Amino acid sequence: GQQVMQIPQYQHVQEGEDFTTYCNSSTTLSNIQWYKQRPGGHPVFLIQLVKSGEVKKQKRLTFQFGEAKKNSSLHITATQTTDVGTYFCLNDYKLSFGAGTTVTVRA
Amino acid sequence: NAGVTQTPKFQVLKTGQSMTLQCAQDMNHNSMYWYRQDPGMGLRLIYYSASEGTTDKGEVPNGYNVSRLNKREFSLRLESAAPSQTSVYFCASSEAPGRGPWAYNEQFFGPGTRLTVL
Repeated sequence: GQQVMQIPQYQHVQEGEDFTTYCNSSTTLSNIQWYKQRPGGHPVFLIQLVKSGEVKKQKRLTFQFGEAKKNSSLHITATQTTDVGTYFCLNDYKLSFGAGTTVTVRA
Repeated sequence: NAGVTQTPKFQVLKTGQSMTLQCAQDMNHNSMYWYRQDPGMGLRLIYYSASEGTTDKGEVPNGYNVSRLNKREFSLRLESAAPSQTSVYFCASSEAPGRGPWAYNEQFFGPGTRLTVL
């Protein structure tokens, strides 16, 4: 079964608001990756986190790896229509994807 | 560079028919993967090939076989298609063969094959 759990499954966001999606594992992760898939498209790599407590930013996206390396989060500020899609986390060592958070934006 | 290419883009099969999904990458990557994507279930690994000459089962290998024909190509075969295999199939590749904490394994995905089994 899935090694990582993602919540929420769906996120409906008003344009301009912030939101966070979470990825949780019952076991310690070697590293974790995040991907984005636009509707009708294929997954595209966003980032890889390796160190405990690591925080990385890409413009309005902030990725964090938990201190115990059992969870990770993706926070998006000032959501735009271009953020629409499904965001997946990947336990790279187990090649196990989370089920994804599908984001829709209300203009 | 074309990246990762997959053929066909769409396919409709009848139960019991066989077919092979083709995947090729031109990035000289060592590792290649086959996933299936079903609504609400994310991507599930069917098979992967860590390097040329090796293949390993993933989470959902039953009903599938794979061939790593050379470093560029990794094919997925359905010997006797079943309606439960209706899905979108993605091939991916990555550079590094290792899977440790510091291995950098960004995966590059192909455009997918949408398969329907009637």
